[in-house]
Amino acid sequence: ELKVEQNPLFLSMQEGKNYTIYCNYSTTSDRLYWYRQDPGKSLESLFVLLSNGAVKQEGRLMASLDTKARLSTLHITAAVHDLSATYFCAVDMFMRGSQGNLIFGKGTKLSVKP
Amino acid sequence: DTGVSQDPRHKITKRGQNVTFRCDPISEHNRLYWYRQTLGQGPEFLTYFQNEAQLEKSRLLSDRFSAERPKGSFSTLEIQRTEQGDSAMYLCASSLGGDQPQHFGDGTRLSIL
Repeated sequence: ELKVEQNPLFLSMQEGKNYTIYCNYSTTSDRLYWYRQDPGKSLESLFVLLSNGAVKQEGRLMASLDTKARLSTLHITAAVHDLSATYFCAVDMFMRGSQGNLIFGKGTKLSVKP
Repeated sequence: DTGVSQDPRHKITKRGQNVTFRCDPISEHNRLYWYRQTLGQGPEFLTYFQNEAQLEKSRLLSDRFSAERPKGSFSTLEIQRTEQGDSAMYLCASSLGGDQPQHFGDGTRLSIL
Protein backbone atom coordinates (compact mmCIF):
# COMPACT_ATOMS: atom_id res chain seq x y z
CA GLU A 1 0.00 0.00 0.00
CA LEU A 2 1.32 3.42 -0.93
CA LYS A 3 1.94 5.64 2.07
CA VAL A 4 2.99 9.25 2.49
CA GLU A 5 3.90 9.99 6.07
CA GLN A 6 4.61 13.38 7.52
CA ASN A 7 6.07 14.15 10.87
CA PRO A 8 5.47 15.79 13.09
CA LEU A 9 1.71 16.10 12.65
CA PHE A 10 1.58 19.01 15.08
CA LEU A 11 4.31 21.55 15.63
CA SER A 12 4.29 24.46 18.02
CA MET A 13 7.20 26.81 17.49
CA GLN A 14 8.40 30.06 18.92
CA GLU A 15 9.01 32.95 16.61
CA GLY A 16 12.60 33.14 15.47
CA LYS A 17 13.28 29.41 15.80
CA ASN A 18 14.17 26.92 13.09
CA TYR A 19 12.55 23.57 12.45
CA THR A 20 12.16 20.85 9.82
CA ILE A 21 9.10 18.93 8.68
CA TYR A 22 9.73 15.49 7.19
CA CYS A 23 7.83 13.70 4.45
CA ASN A 24 8.55 10.02 3.79
CA TYR A 25 6.90 8.08 0.99
CA SER A 26 6.83 4.41 0.14
CA THR A 27 6.91 4.31 -3.67
CA THR A 28 9.25 5.41 -6.42
CA SER A 29 8.56 8.94 -7.51
CA ASP A 30 10.57 11.98 -8.44
CA ARG A 31 7.72 14.45 -8.35
CA LEU A 32 6.85 15.87 -4.98
CA TYR A 33 4.80 18.92 -4.11
CA TRP A 34 4.39 20.99 -0.97
CA TYR A 35 1.15 22.83 -0.27
CA ARG A 36 -0.01 25.21 2.43
CA GLN A 37 -3.57 25.30 3.76
CA ASP A 38 -4.95 28.02 6.03
CA PRO A 39 -8.03 27.20 8.14
CA GLY A 40 -11.17 27.13 6.02
CA LYS A 41 -9.22 27.82 2.87
CA SER A 42 -7.99 25.76 -0.02
CA LEU A 43 -4.49 24.54 -0.78
CA GLU A 44 -1.83 26.87 -2.07
CA SER A 45 1.09 25.46 -4.04
CA LEU A 46 4.44 26.21 -2.39
CA PHE A 47 7.09 24.07 -4.06
CA VAL A 48 7.49 21.63 -6.94
CA LEU A 49 10.41 19.21 -6.59
CA LEU A 50 11.17 17.21 -9.72
CA SER A 51 14.48 15.43 -9.30
CA ASN A 52 16.82 13.89 -6.80
CA GLY A 53 18.67 16.60 -4.93
CA ALA A 54 16.22 19.33 -5.90
CA VAL A 55 16.16 22.27 -3.51
CA LYS A 56 13.75 25.18 -3.68
CA GLN A 57 13.59 28.22 -1.41
CA GLU A 58 10.99 30.91 -0.93
CA GLY A 59 11.39 33.36 1.91
CA ARG A 60 11.76 31.48 5.20
CA LEU A 61 10.85 28.11 3.68
CA MET A 62 13.19 25.71 1.93
CA ALA A 63 12.21 22.33 0.50
CA SER A 64 14.43 19.48 -0.64
CA LEU A 65 14.00 16.05 -2.20
CA ASP A 66 16.03 12.86 -1.84
CA THR A 67 14.43 10.31 -4.15
CA LYS A 68 16.78 7.52 -3.11
CA ALA A 69 15.77 7.87 0.53
CA ARG A 70 12.17 8.68 -0.54
CA LEU A 71 12.32 11.69 1.72
CA SER A 72 11.47 15.34 1.37
CA THR A 73 12.04 18.03 3.97
CA LEU A 74 10.51 21.45 4.51
CA HIS A 75 12.81 23.63 6.58
CA ILE A 76 11.55 26.70 8.36
CA THR A 77 14.05 29.41 9.20
CA ALA A 78 13.38 32.06 11.86
CA ALA A 79 9.66 31.33 12.03
CA VAL A 80 7.13 34.15 12.08
CA HIS A 81 3.45 34.04 13.04
CA ASP A 82 2.33 34.36 9.40
CA LEU A 83 3.72 30.89 8.73
CA SER A 84 1.07 29.32 10.97
CA ALA A 85 -0.89 26.93 8.73
CA THR A 86 -1.12 23.27 7.80
CA TYR A 87 1.55 22.04 5.40
CA PHE A 88 1.01 19.04 3.15
CA CYS A 89 3.41 17.09 1.03
CA ALA A 90 2.02 15.18 -1.95
CA VAL A 91 3.61 12.55 -4.15
CA ASP A 92 2.75 12.26 -7.83
CA MET A 93 1.84 8.73 -8.87
CA PHE A 94 2.84 9.11 -12.53
CA MET A 95 5.63 6.55 -12.22
CA ARG A 96 3.01 3.99 -11.28
CA GLY A 97 1.01 4.63 -14.40
CA SER A 98 -1.23 7.32 -13.01
CA GLN A 99 -1.79 10.67 -14.69
CA GLY A 100 -1.06 13.09 -11.93
CA ASN A 101 -2.96 11.42 -9.12
CA LEU A 102 -1.48 13.00 -5.98
CA ILE A 103 -1.17 11.08 -2.73
CA PHE A 104 -1.13 13.47 0.21
CA GLY A 105 0.29 13.13 3.68
CA LYS A 106 -1.90 13.91 6.66
CA GLY A 107 -0.42 17.36 6.99
CA THR A 108 1.64 19.12 9.63
CA LYS A 109 -0.25 21.74 11.60
CA LEU A 110 2.23 24.47 12.42
CA SER A 111 1.55 27.06 15.10
CA VAL A 112 4.08 29.85 15.57
CA LYS A 113 3.81 31.66 18.87
CA PRO A 114 5.39 34.97 19.90
CA ASP B 1 -9.12 36.47 -10.48
CA THR B 2 -9.14 33.44 -12.79
CA GLY B 3 -8.47 30.70 -10.28
CA VAL B 4 -10.42 27.48 -9.83
CA SER B 5 -14.01 28.22 -8.88
CA GLN B 6 -16.35 25.85 -7.04
CA ASP B 7 -20.05 26.12 -6.37
CA PRO B 8 -21.71 25.94 -3.93
CA ARG B 9 -19.32 26.66 -1.06
CA HIS B 10 -21.54 24.85 1.42
CA LYS B 11 -24.24 22.24 0.95
CA ILE B 12 -26.44 20.86 3.70
CA THR B 13 -28.73 18.02 2.77
CA LYS B 14 -30.66 15.15 4.27
CA ARG B 15 -29.41 11.62 4.03
CA GLY B 16 -30.67 9.92 0.90
CA GLN B 17 -30.85 13.07 -1.21
CA ASN B 18 -28.81 13.67 -4.34
CA VAL B 19 -26.36 16.55 -4.57
CA THR B 20 -24.38 18.04 -7.43
CA PHE B 21 -21.28 20.24 -7.25
CA ARG B 22 -19.74 22.32 -9.99
CA CYS B 23 -16.12 23.18 -10.71
CA ASP B 24 -14.82 25.74 -13.18
CA PRO B 25 -11.08 25.21 -13.74
CA ILE B 26 -8.48 27.74 -14.82
CA SER B 27 -9.38 28.31 -18.46
CA GLU B 28 -6.21 27.06 -20.14
CA HIS B 29 -5.92 23.95 -17.95
CA ASN B 30 -6.87 20.72 -19.71
CA ARG B 31 -6.58 18.53 -16.63
CA LEU B 32 -9.17 18.55 -13.88
CA TYR B 33 -9.16 16.57 -10.62
CA TRP B 34 -11.62 15.92 -7.82
CA TYR B 35 -10.47 15.19 -4.27
CA ARG B 36 -12.23 14.66 -0.96
CA GLN B 37 -10.85 15.96 2.33
CA THR B 38 -12.07 15.09 5.81
CA LEU B 39 -11.10 16.83 9.02
CA GLY B 40 -7.49 16.31 9.98
CA GLN B 41 -6.61 14.47 6.78
CA GLY B 42 -4.98 15.31 3.51
CA PRO B 43 -7.03 15.36 0.31
CA GLU B 44 -7.84 11.94 -1.21
CA PHE B 45 -7.96 11.55 -4.97
CA LEU B 46 -11.36 10.70 -6.47
CA THR B 47 -11.15 11.14 -10.23
CA TYR B 48 -9.33 12.89 -13.06
CA PHE B 49 -10.22 14.28 -16.48
CA GLN B 50 -8.10 15.22 -19.42
CA ASN B 51 -10.28 17.49 -21.51
CA GLU B 52 -13.67 15.71 -21.55
CA ALA B 53 -12.31 12.20 -21.01
CA GLN B 54 -12.46 10.71 -17.53
CA LEU B 55 -9.18 8.82 -17.42
CA GLU B 56 -8.89 7.62 -13.86
CA LYS B 57 -11.17 6.84 -10.94
CA SER B 58 -10.26 5.96 -7.39
CA ARG B 59 -11.68 2.93 -5.62
CA LEU B 60 -13.10 5.54 -3.23
CA LEU B 61 -15.51 6.57 -5.96
CA SER B 62 -18.45 4.26 -5.33
CA ASP B 63 -21.29 3.69 -7.78
CA ARG B 64 -23.20 6.51 -6.10
CA PHE B 65 -20.64 9.02 -7.35
CA SER B 66 -20.47 10.24 -10.91
CA ALA B 67 -18.44 12.99 -12.49
CA GLU B 68 -18.64 14.62 -15.88
CA ARG B 69 -16.80 17.21 -17.88
CA PRO B 70 -18.99 17.41 -20.97
CA LYS B 71 -17.21 20.03 -23.04
CA GLY B 72 -13.80 19.81 -21.48
CA SER B 73 -14.36 22.97 -19.48
CA PHE B 74 -16.41 22.90 -16.25
CA SER B 75 -17.03 19.66 -14.37
CA THR B 76 -19.80 18.36 -12.13
CA LEU B 77 -19.62 15.81 -9.35
CA GLU B 78 -22.89 14.16 -8.36
CA ILE B 79 -23.51 12.04 -5.30
CA GLN B 80 -26.68 9.99 -5.28
CA ARG B 81 -28.45 8.72 -2.17
CA THR B 82 -26.09 10.56 0.15
CA GLU B 83 -24.87 8.85 3.31
CA GLN B 84 -23.44 10.23 6.56
CA GLY B 85 -19.98 9.14 5.51
CA ASP B 86 -20.14 11.45 2.49
CA SER B 87 -19.79 14.50 4.74
CA ALA B 88 -16.50 16.09 3.71
CA MET B 89 -14.92 18.94 1.80
CA TYR B 90 -14.91 18.23 -1.94
CA LEU B 91 -12.00 19.91 -3.69
CA CYS B 92 -11.49 20.50 -7.37
CA ALA B 93 -8.09 21.17 -8.89
CA SER B 94 -6.81 21.86 -12.37
CA SER B 95 -3.42 21.84 -14.06
CA LEU B 96 -1.62 22.11 -17.36
CA GLY B 97 -0.45 18.53 -16.94
CA GLY B 98 3.01 17.04 -16.83
CA ASP B 99 4.86 18.14 -13.74
CA GLN B 100 2.94 21.39 -13.30
CA PRO B 101 1.35 21.81 -9.86
CA GLN B 102 -2.36 21.38 -9.39
CA HIS B 103 -4.25 24.54 -8.46
CA PHE B 104 -7.08 24.01 -6.02
CA GLY B 105 -10.43 25.70 -5.60
CA ASP B 106 -11.89 26.68 -2.24
CA GLY B 107 -13.96 23.51 -2.09
CA THR B 108 -17.58 22.58 -1.42
CA ARG B 109 -18.30 21.55 2.15
CA LEU B 110 -20.99 18.88 2.27
CA SER B 111 -22.91 18.21 5.47
CA ILE B 112 -25.35 15.32 5.69
CA LEU B 113 -28.09 15.63 8.31
